[in-house]
Amino acid sequence: SAVISQKPSRDICQRGTSLTIQCQVDSQVTMMFWYRQQPGQSLTLIATANQGSEATYESGFVIDKFPISRPNLTFSTLTVSNMSPEDSSIYLCSANEGTGGLGGELFFGEGSRLTVL
Amino acid sequence: QKEVEQNSGPLSVPEGAIASLNCTYSDRGSQSFFWYRQYSGKSPELIMSIYSNGDKEDGRFTAQLNKASQYVSLLIRDSQPSDSATYLCAVSSSGGSYIPTFGRGTSLIVHP
Repeated sequence: SAVISQKPSRDICQRGTSLTIQCQVDSQVTMMFWYRQQPGQSLTLIATANQGSEATYESGFVIDKFPISRPNLTFSTLTVSNMSPEDSSIYLCSANEGTGGLGGELFFGEGSRLTVL
Repeated sequence: QKEVEQNSGPLSVPEGAIASLNCTYSDRGSQSFFWYRQYSGKSPELIMSIYSNGDKEDGRFTAQLNKASQYVSLLIRDSQPSDSATYLCAVSSSGGSYIPTFGRGTSLIVHP
């Protein structure tokens, strides 16, 4: 299956700063997603990264806080803006297989573990 | 709101036993069901998908689906210590948002 490279793998950030996470897939995919996973919790979908248009955000997540780019079918970025300790979490990039995938069968990057002090 | 419920565990089984992991979901319109395995400190990986009522077998893994009861399960036969992980149930619907909703996961510990 396709491989997702995500970076940084971890970072320690200061309150009030912003960090951009990059996600690169080794093949073209239709849908890319950004999830957050807090310790002991399940995956929470932040947004769907749409190629060539604005991301679709889930309830509780807004573009000003989590701006997302998707310039092509293999790359996306998620920025966590004006960070607070509550943003400390693992952020996961995900995609479905191939350009015709119907979703559900997802593969994930290795995650970016952010700690905000 | 679509909900996917799992017992968080941990579920502890001896090596060689059958591990049974269960999941219920609230949306009757759900069409696709998935089991992901997540090792500690790693990202989830898809291990099984099932779309029709009944059983689906893949090696030591069997997924079982009962749409009438809104219930999906994963059986792991001949459990090995390497199966120790968190198992996430995920459910998606047809007709629009096919993006899966994940349960909180069940922690499985297989002890020698």
